[in-house]
Amino acid sequence: SQQGEEDPQALSIQEGENATMNCSYKTSINNLQWYRQNSGRGLVHLILIRSNEREKHSGRLRVTLDTSKKSSSLLITASRAADTASYFCATEDSSYKLIFGSGTRLLVRP
Amino acid sequence: NAGVTQTPKFQVLKTGQSMTLQCAQDMNHNSMYWYRQDPGMGLRLIYYSASEGTTDKGEVPNGYNVSRLNKREFSLRLESAAPSQTSVYFCASSDTSGGLEQYFGPGTRLTVT
Repeated sequence: SQQGEEDPQALSIQEGENATMNCSYKTSINNLQWYRQNSGRGLVHLILIRSNEREKHSGRLRVTLDTSKKSSSLLITASRAADTASYFCATEDSSYKLIFGSGTRLLVRP
Repeated sequence: NAGVTQTPKFQVLKTGQSMTLQCAQDMNHNSMYWYRQDPGMGLRLIYYSASEGTTDKGEVPNGYNVSRLNKREFSLRLESAAPSQTSVYFCASSDTSGGLEQYFGPGTRLTVT
């Protein structure tokens, strides 16, 4: 069963615009992570936010976490064509296993 | 550092055949994982090994077996392949279970006809 569900499923933006994708989950978590997957490749870790944190930044990435709403968002600012990829949220349950959502496919048009 | 390596990259099996997917990591990580990814979906955990000598079932273990051969290597075996096991298989590792990022291999694309 999928714990995290991303929204939207697909997103198409112009280079330079910001991209926001959301993740909702069902049960309590230890932390939430975001991963990127380029077509045909393995996943690459982007950022981890712990359940007691509300916001975290890494370069052009900003992640927020609202545990009361069981949701997280990933903001990519000033997007580039190289940001084109699928983005997955993954929640870590109490037994330290990651459960992935179905992903948001981001297309950044040059 | 090669990170996480997987072999083979591609494989075509007939229904009922068996095969073993190999995974190795050179980061001295304690925990290793096997996932499958079906088209348009996220990853689902098949089996994991929290530390050398231990293995545990994930969300979709039926039809698979695993072996944690040593700290570096974690193999996934399909004893009798079925078309429903057509998927892309990813191996991952992390320093320990809990609260840390996972490092992924490039994947094995398996087709069962």
